[in-house]
Amino acid sequence: DTAVSQTPKYLVTQMGNDKSIKCEQNLGHDTMYWYKQDSKKFLKIMFSYNNKELIINETVPNRFSPKSPDKAHLNLHINSLELGDSAVYFCASSQGRPVGRGLLLLKTEAFFGQGTRLTVV
Amino acid sequence: GESVGLHLPTLSVQEGDNSIINCAYSNSASDYFIWYKQESGKGPQFIIDIRSNMDKRQGQRVTVLLNKTVKHLSLQIAATQPGDSAVYFCAENLSSGGSYIPTFGRGTSLIVHP
Repeated sequence: DTAVSQTPKYLVTQMGNDKSIKCEQNLGHDTMYWYKQDSKKFLKIMFSYNNKELIINETVPNRFSPKSPDKAHLNLHINSLELGDSAVYFCASSQGRPVGRGLLLLKTEAFFGQGTRLTVV
Repeated sequence: GESVGLHLPTLSVQEGDNSIINCAYSNSASDYFIWYKQESGKGPQFIIDIRSNMDKRQGQRVTVLLNKTVKHLSLQIAATQPGDSAVYFCAENLSSGGSYIPTFGRGTSLIVHP
């Protein structure tokens, strides 16, 4: 009955590798996000998709590429992993509607997955 | 007491006391605010929300106060319990013209001592 599920929960990998984190939501939401949480617990938005369309792409290295095959899934692929990529990555979803080009009115709170702790060694 | 600095702000209280967690937001056009609770090893969870046409909203043991004049939110937890120990975040949303994604504040670690 998990609303937002992401896998894996833990990921340990070497520098230079490529890895993916998967996320699925069964809430029927049309907006999904990826957040990065650093060691000081600061949560920073990375990407947002609405109905499979990229809405926001914050200043994130282009080694990070989100992919949304359908509105229930938003996967995160990371190329050439670096030590500084070590963090906890959270997927989230919410319900919203477009109010203008590239803009979105959020109608509900965001529901978060349990997080993926990525450790790059 | 509360400490603020480079580290995560921390609020330590005794079980049964009331807790007040404060948050300053950045954009005067924000019109929807949410408090989240993040327990260790878990993702943030919704606690309570408030829209900008209100200045107070109450839930079960929690109250959120919104002061738009000074762009300030607070979360009050009544009769704090050990299970309330967590990191608390406020998040703001805009309805137009800018960031419309839940944008999180710094977070405050609440420690409840039995």
